[in-house]
Amino acid sequence: SYVLSQPPSVSVAPQMTASISCGGDDIGSKTVHWYQQKPGQAPVLVVSYDTDRPSGIPERFSGASSGTSATLTISRVEAGDEADYYCQVWDTDTNRVVFGGGTKLTVL
Amino acid sequence: QVQLQESGPRLVKSSETLSLTCAVSSYSMKNGYYWVWIRQSPGKGLEWIGSIYHSGTTYYSPSLRSRVSMSVDTSENEFSLTLTSVTAADTAFYYCSRQMNTRHPFDSWGQGTLVTVSS
Repeated sequence: SYVLSQPPSVSVAPQMTASISCGGDDIGSKTVHWYQQKPGQAPVLVVSYDTDRPSGIPERFSGASSGTSATLTISRVEAGDEADYYCQVWDTDTNRVVFGGGTKLTVL
Repeated sequence: QVQLQESGPRLVKSSETLSLTCAVSSYSMKNGYYWVWIRQSPGKGLEWIGSIYHSGTTYYSPSLRSRVSMSVDTSENEFSLTLTSVTAADTAFYYCSRQMNTRHPFDSWGQGTLVTVSS
């Protein structure tokens, strides 16, 4: 079955750039979405269709996808960006949604 | 802006059936979208349970397919989840959500509800 692999944790200093990877077999041929989840809250969509930013999401959030890896990049990281981040795709071979295991972003 | 709100028992006994409903407001379910259930065990990651189209087409997680059923009531503008033979492993926050189609993102979420399975 299709698997998405994320690093369990990423740490970054304020105002620096954070990159969160999402690995999967030929993920570049799939459509990747990214969600941010803060403690006690429901997830929020921050990047859709590999690279798009939903309305209201800061320009600091961007996405890319190619080959076997997708990446969520957060520029000029702020304390408020500290959260868990999940990548997600639809696996057409098995007709199911697949989530990555999630990455905890810590702002130092 | 669409709003989703989960409701149902917060405590379910082991081996019994979990039933939740998601009320949708500010959007008529007849107009389309897949309606989705996702869960998250405390301290763990997100797990997709299943998606149902307003016409009734369903996709279920292979790991839960034998115990899951979803339905849509467009007259009440709500959709439901039923999970049978629950165990402690089914204790989780249950979220309802929606997606325009299967490749599309989950663009709106309910606040989530914690369901605890007790022995």
